[in-house]
Amino acid sequence: EIVLTQSPGTLSLSPGERATLSCRASQSVNSRYLAWYQQKPGQAPRLLIYGASGRATGIPDRFSGSGSGTDFTLTISRLEPEDFAVYYCQQYGSSFTFGPGTKVDIK
Amino acid sequence: QLQLQESGPGLVKPSETLSLTCSVSGVSISSRSYYWGWIRQPPGKGLEWIGNIYYSGTTHYNPSLKSRVTISVDTSKNQFSLKLTSVTAADTAIYYCARVDTEDPFYFDYWGQGTLVTVSS
Repeated sequence: EIVLTQSPGTLSLSPGERATLSCRASQSVNSRYLAWYQQKPGQAPRLLIYGASGRATGIPDRFSGSGSGTDFTLTISRLEPEDFAVYYCQQYGSSFTFGPGTKVDIK
Repeated sequence: QLQLQESGPGLVKPSETLSLTCSVSGVSISSRSYYWGWIRQPPGKGLEWIGNIYYSGTTHYNPSLKSRVTISVDTSKNQFSLKLTSVTAADTAIYYCARVDTEDPFYFDYWGQGTLVTVSS
């Protein structure tokens, strides 16, 4: 099973700042199989990025994904107040697995 | 507009069977374009995939839960269901149902709001 590690665990930033979140896989992942989700308190996860870099429907262009192999990144170019949340990466190998999440909170 | 709604008991006793249903509206569960899945999240923790099902009844389960999980589909009611046997406190979680697009079957594009199931005597 492919294990995903996310860093940092918590990212404290101010609105308007740039956020860079990392997702590392224990073995190489096909970029097509890598997704990112945003989860706010009391809500279900929402798909942000699929195929490592494709934005899901309705997702603002301040969200971007990149990476390949074992290292993937989610970047939020300028944080808006509604972006403070937990972000999960997810991969599909023979099973679906999720990373432990990165919490982006207000500094 | 697609909606997924989980339903079922919020409290289950240890060693018993957890049963949940996901009602789908806005799209036919018989569509060949989608798989349907279950994911859970213990309170304050991360996400764990449970399994997926296709309208034909073909299933794919998380190996770590496979011995206890059954997912089934009822196309006449546009619903799919989850059964998890021999539950313990470790199965306490928010249970989500979600959709997977068969053209890109590698992520969950729509989720239900989730339902909390507590395992306790």
